[in-house]
Amino acid sequence: NAGVTQTPKFQVLKTGQSMTLQCAQDMNHEYMSWYRQDPGMGLRLIHYSVGAGITDQGEVPNGYNVSRSTTEDFPLRLLSAAPSQTSVYFCASSVHSELGAAFFGQGTRLTVV
Amino acid sequence: AQTVTQSQPEMSVQEAETVTLSCTYDTSESNYYLFWYKQPPSRQMILVIRQEAYKQQNATENRFSVNFQKAAKSFSLKISDSQLGDTAMYFCAFMKRPGNQFYFGTGTSLTVIP
Repeated sequence: NAGVTQTPKFQVLKTGQSMTLQCAQDMNHEYMSWYRQDPGMGLRLIHYSVGAGITDQGEVPNGYNVSRSTTEDFPLRLLSAAPSQTSVYFCASSVHSELGAAFFGQGTRLTVV
Repeated sequence: AQTVTQSQPEMSVQEAETVTLSCTYDTSESNYYLFWYKQPPSRQMILVIRQEAYKQQNATENRFSVNFQKAAKSFSLKISDSQLGDTAMYFCAFMKRPGNQFYFGTGTSLTVIP
């Protein structure tokens, strides 16, 4: 009964370093997405995917790359971390049903120093 | 573009009382869905209630209900018989296709006072 699993839960990076935030879901959901949550700004959509091999940009895609080679996994890559990317990152999955509620992971708190 | 506005950054309510959280949105989409999510200090996002925009009937889920005014683009959440466990940040969200893209408001921090 894992749902959406994100790793790691916490990470500290130096400016310019790269890293990948992992996201996996075991519910066979078609749709997956990444959000960032900053104080006072709610959650903002970074990238989303409607299925394996298909991704698209959201509201704030700059500085992030994604790919989706399988239905289960949707990693988020930071190629050259910047302090402005300090945030809490959430991965979500959902289905193309009538209501399509999103199921969220527990989040990754990323600090870029 | 979609925008979601929550104009009440903080609210408080006495235990067992009723409280209403406001949300307005702006969109040119004709087919969309609206949600309220709760985020306790654990950081987990928890679905509270959802509403299809094409349905006029307001959604209810136990102590939680919404007042959906489509023409006014308003989607408020009413919590009845407030409980201490309702203390959390509440986010209003708009969802559109493709890919179930969610757009969130800035949240309302609700405190239930014993």
